[in-house]
Amino acid sequence: DQQVKQNSPSLSVQEGRISILNCDYTNSMFDYFLWYKKYPAEGPTFLISISSIKDKNEDGRFTVFLNKSAKHLSLHIVPSQPGDSAVYFCAAWFLTGGFKTIFGAGTRLFVKA
Amino acid sequence: ETGVTQSPTHLIKTRGQQVTLRCSSQSGHNTVSWYQQALGQGPQFIFQYYREEENGRGNFPPRFSGLQFPNYSSELNVNALELDDSALYLCASSSGQRTYEQYFGPGTRLTVT
Repeated sequence: DQQVKQNSPSLSVQEGRISILNCDYTNSMFDYFLWYKKYPAEGPTFLISISSIKDKNEDGRFTVFLNKSAKHLSLHIVPSQPGDSAVYFCAAWFLTGGFKTIFGAGTRLFVKA
Repeated sequence: ETGVTQSPTHLIKTRGQQVTLRCSSQSGHNTVSWYQQALGQGPQFIFQYYREEENGRGNFPPRFSGLQFPNYSSELNVNALELDDSALYLCASSSGQRTYEQYFGPGTRLTVT
């Protein structure tokens, strides 16, 4: 039962353009959604979060949008830089029945110089 | 500020053996979570500890157990190792106020032969 889905295994973008990473979820009980970035041989790095009661959160070049009716969120990176090349994980967190975080399978982003 | 550290980095065990993995949380963090990440997949939540008690658990059998110590460091114990337990094991810490924002260590690569 995949509650958090990232349907695109990879994405390639030109440097300076916008990268849009997508994520779908099935459980309406999630309280927060998060994005993490992972480089090889390192643990995931926290990027940005959004509460389930918000529809947008922005931090520098990173913006997360939440569409609750569609159970969809997206991460926008503007402008994309070669150093952004990594695997991006979408995650959802909820408290009901005990704390739990569910991760998607990840999307590998390639930013071409 | 010290980040999350994990030991050992790599480990090879034989099926049926037991293993203990260790994690030191980031300074100021009192919550620790453990994840299993298989190749090509996102991290899967094992459990979370807060103030030395388990307060959230994923779909893992009881042979996966943990401990949190008064200094907030943590151990993950796996009994009766199976071949499918081969994976990267990640530890993440967070503060009680923003439990959903987790900071990961580099992981322990466990190989079961």
